[in-house]
Amino acid sequence: GAVVSQHPSRVICKSGTSVKIECRSLDFQATTMFWYRQFPKKSLMLMATSNEGSKATYEQGVEKDKFLINHASLTLSTLTVTSAHPEDSSFYICSFLGTGETEAFFGQGTRLTVV
Amino acid sequence: AQSVTQLDSQVPVFEEAPVELRCNYSSSVSVYLFWYVQYPNQGLQLLLKYLSGSTLVKGINGFEAEFNKSQTSFHLRKPSVHISDTAEYFCAVSKENAGNMLTFGGGTRLMVKP
Repeated sequence: GAVVSQHPSRVICKSGTSVKIECRSLDFQATTMFWYRQFPKKSLMLMATSNEGSKATYEQGVEKDKFLINHASLTLSTLTVTSAHPEDSSFYICSFLGTGETEAFFGQGTRLTVV
Repeated sequence: AQSVTQLDSQVPVFEEAPVELRCNYSSSVSVYLFWYVQYPNQGLQLLLKYLSGSTLVKGINGFEAEFNKSQTSFHLRKPSVHISDTAEYFCAVSKENAGNMLTFGGGTRLMVKP
């Protein structure tokens, strides 16, 4: 299957700082990108969907000013958690969908801990 | 809108025993169906998917699933599990068009005991 590289895998940051998570598709062009958040022992909750070159569409209840998504190219998308707070601590997973693809490919996830 | 229900949050099973992880979905339109596996602190890996055709789908690691349209189910099975199968399993659906997001079930933790 396609390879999606997400980093960092783990990050600890201080409350009030910002953290950027990168997600790259290594061997295909990704037109659509999904960012998910996963709470401990819970399922994945979709945060936002973005298409290359356009603004992301956020799910209800997700603050777009706190979770900045940039899908600037067909191989790179970033999620920036701004002014992080302890309640933002979670596991974040990116997922790419290529043109004409019927399945999404997932990154390895990022464990964010805000202290 | 679609929804997915995984009926069991945890399934303990002894090594080499068979296992079935249940998944039911609801949707007003035709859907694609998926099973993913997640190991601790990792992303999701596709086990298998149903798009069309034969309702019995075989995937990686010896898993298979059967699509039952009348019961709106897509249960995952393995005839003999290994310790290494211990993980979280997610059933998911997407609308029958490329480019649509996945809706996940709540997950089932498979715990294989020696």
